[in-house]
Amino acid sequence: GENVEQHPSTLSVQEGDSAVIKCTYSDSASNYFPWYKQELGKGPQLIIDIRSNVGEKKDQRIAVTLNKTAKHFSLHITETQPEDSAVYFCAASKGYSTLTFGKGTMLLVSP
Amino acid sequence: NAGVTQTPKFQVLKTGQSMTLQCAQDMNHEYMSWYRQDPGMGLRLIHYSVGAGITDQGEVPNGYNVSRSTTEDFPLRLLSAAPSQTSVYFCASSRQANTEAFFGQGTRLTVV
Repeated sequence: GENVEQHPSTLSVQEGDSAVIKCTYSDSASNYFPWYKQELGKGPQLIIDIRSNVGEKKDQRIAVTLNKTAKHFSLHITETQPEDSAVYFCAASKGYSTLTFGKGTMLLVSP
Repeated sequence: NAGVTQTPKFQVLKTGQSMTLQCAQDMNHEYMSWYRQDPGMGLRLIHYSVGAGITDQGEVPNGYNVSRSTTEDFPLRLLSAAPSQTSVYFCASSRQANTEAFFGQGTRLTVV
């Protein structure tokens, strides 16, 4: 089955800095790569996703890049703010909406 | 707009007891799934359904049963609770494959 590795497990940055979270996947048939943000006591919420026919996608301060050859994808958050502090999960899927998640990255943005 | 509703939010069970975690969605989504979240383990798929009457196993199905008699509801049954099933359980739904999954608020289950 699919295996998704996510790094780092924790990330501390100063407000205004950029944050990068990286994921690798094992199944070359995977074609959908979403990123979820989970705040304390809540369920995960989609923040951005990318499909295998696209190399990069951007939404305001958030961007995701995908390298199909190397089987890795990354989340980039620019101009970080304290409200960006949360746990971020990457995931991969190749159909039936059965997402395989990475183990998560706890992002702490200090004022 | 309720989205995905899970009940209860918290539950304590004794070893060997059975219970059902409820999940309902009001978005007319075909796909529904159950995940468990343990510290340092991310979210792991227990069971999923691609439509009413159709269910399949995920990565960690042992000890759990599901059924999908309606589009809206996808209950998760613990047959004989064990301490290893102490976890936070999330239900999710999506319109179709490879689209946004909407998660409920979770059920925190403790088995003593």
